[in-house]
Amino acid sequence: GAGVSQTPSNKVTEKGKYVELRCDPISGHTALYWYRQSLGQGPEFLIYFQGTGAADDSGLPNDRFFAVRPEGSVSTLKIQRTERGDSAVYLCASSADSGANVLTFGAGSRLTVL
Amino acid sequence: LAKTTQPISMDSYEGQEVNITCSHNNIATNDYITWYQQFPSQGPRFIIQGYKTKVTNEVASLFIPADRKSSTLSLPRVSLSDTAVYYCLVGSTGGFKTIFGAGTRLFVKA
Repeated sequence: GAGVSQTPSNKVTEKGKYVELRCDPISGHTALYWYRQSLGQGPEFLIYFQGTGAADDSGLPNDRFFAVRPEGSVSTLKIQRTERGDSAVYLCASSADSGANVLTFGAGSRLTVL
Repeated sequence: LAKTTQPISMDSYEGQEVNITCSHNNIATNDYITWYQQFPSQGPRFIIQGYKTKVTNEVASLFIPADRKSSTLSLPRVSLSDTAVYYCLVGSTGGFKTIFGAGTRLFVKA
């Protein structure tokens, strides 16, 4: 697509529920990133994919968070047993694998855990 | 990964030039310097990237001294719509774990 698309734009869920957030990167971009951003903070790195594989998942806060990118394009961030502290905006970005690493971000998915 | 330090906030008036300086004392030889802009309820947006000396595009200029331990983003004649958070990042090319700091919150007043 023309830009990075994230769905849903807003998600309200209850504590303990399971949530999936989807990211459609720019066509042809091999690198895909997930970030989490709380109010007044900079984006916090979660995980980075190069193709289908997670090249660096060191930012995932615990084992309730998991992300996949099975065909090297669309990615899904999965959060199990959600907690109120998971409330944030989840940002996805993609970049081409060659040249300078410039990220193009989506508008984000705002997750609210009640 | 090189850590960056930039002012937490800055105020300016419409029509003024704004310079935001970022320190990155332990920048590596193959690191580039990249600046992003973020408006409320949007993801960060790429502004400019450079390796050394000066880079200019239609939005901003980036000044990098010879030692590359700092860089300055220059926004000419800012308008109210330039009110945003500006992030300075350093890292190598070809894909890497891109880390954002807290950014500089620029507020442009009429």
